[in-house]
Amino acid sequence: QVQLVQSGAEIKEPGASVKVSCRTSGYSFTGWYLHWVRQAPGQGLQWMGWINPKNGDTNFAQSFEGWVTMTRDTSSSTAYLELRNLKSDDTGIYYCARDLGDFDALDIWGQGTRVTVSS
Amino acid sequence: SFELTQPPSLSVSPGQTASITCSGDKLGHKFTYWYQQKTGQSPVLVIFEHSKRPSGIPDRFSGSKSGNTVTLTISGTQAMDEADYYCQAWDTRTSVVFGGGTKLTVL
Repeated sequence: QVQLVQSGAEIKEPGASVKVSCRTSGYSFTGWYLHWVRQAPGQGLQWMGWINPKNGDTNFAQSFEGWVTMTRDTSSSTAYLELRNLKSDDTGIYYCARDLGDFDALDIWGQGTRVTVSS
Repeated sequence: SFELTQPPSLSVSPGQTASITCSGDKLGHKFTYWYQQKTGQSPVLVIFEHSKRPSGIPDRFSGSKSGNTVTLTISGTQAMDEADYYCQAWDTRTSVVFGGGTKLTVL
């Protein structure tokens, strides 16, 4: 079955970087867009952006442009989210989610990766 | 910027109907989606393209649209339906927007 399995929890100091992975299985990795969504503690869902695994094209929400990178490795069917210059406000759970079709629903979600930014 | 507005909370008794609204400019012209997120879990898609249910979602979940307001209806609400619910739509066809979420309490 379709699965998105994310990397484990991370604890980082302010100013550091973190790279979260999303390993997919059960479908053709290059056939569906992947999104990243952040959820701060006790808050709602915040869309970060998407990556087209076929060609690496990306689109970011304005809040994340310039300090977030989304990449992919087609050989391992894995997508990556890298956050730089972390601040305490970046603490939260980061989810990857598959797009049902081109710009459709987010039908399958990863289990989430908790990132804690603290000195 | 495009925004989606949901009521922060809703309480219903078991067996009653829960109706969660989501409104936004020109929302009637966009496909909308609903996600359920139980405490400590990842979101789950429960309605897509206004009113379609993914496989495995009970038929007590339904979606509808009237003007620029969409509604998620849960008929015969059960205790297991207690969760946060988020609506979602696309802005400019390439950017995702989520509503602020509605906390559904079943008591």
